[in-house]
Amino acid sequence: AQSVTQLDSQVPVFEEAPVELRCNYSSSVSVYLFWYVQYPNQGLQLLLKYLSGSTLVKGINGFEAEFNKSQTSFHLRKPSVHISDTAEYFCAVSRFTGGGNKLTFGTGTQLKVEL
Amino acid sequence: DAGVTQSPTHLIKTRGQQVTLRCSPKSGHDTVSWYQQALGQGPQFIFQYYEEEERQRGNFPDRFSGHQFPNYSSELNVNALLLGDSALYLCASSSRDTLIFYEQYFGPGTRLTVT
Repeated sequence: AQSVTQLDSQVPVFEEAPVELRCNYSSSVSVYLFWYVQYPNQGLQLLLKYLSGSTLVKGINGFEAEFNKSQTSFHLRKPSVHISDTAEYFCAVSRFTGGGNKLTFGTGTQLKVEL
Repeated sequence: DAGVTQSPTHLIKTRGQQVTLRCSPKSGHDTVSWYQQALGQGPQFIFQYYEEEERQRGNFPDRFSGHQFPNYSSELNVNALLLGDSALYLCASSSRDTLIFYEQYFGPGTRLTVT
């Protein structure tokens, strides 16, 4: 079975400051890793993904994440946040099992950017 | 390029009733997954359809059923509604025939309220 832990339920940060949202996963086999963003009353938007290759992946809106297999982590970072980054962020894992590739999500981290 | 679309946007039902939610996948996608997102929680996987068959199922009772049509669109049916079924229902699509099979793209969701 696979699971995802997002250690911080809320992260407040001032505009233009850097931010890191933490994600740890548990799986006995190799998985694929994702970060999604959800703005109020909207669906999920794919921010970035790790499928293979370089462990540092870059996504949209200036976000990046680093896959660390030894620490089973996939932390999301942005060097300078903007007010418009205020949203809920979900880390997710996937692998092909049982005929499908379901996503298993963490409980989410609310990023609140303040002036 | 049309993304994932869902209908209706909002729905209010009474306990014991039945409901049908609809989803059209992103152009070029052939696999549809459904997720339930309760307030303040991460999305939970319900099931996944490919080639008009249910390929993978999450931990949801048989009251939750689905269908996929030849044009890849899908329906989610919930019978005997309970108050606890109130949630945002998200549809996601992906393409099984490409290297990016694990990327799932989400629709805006259907907000179901059971009274």
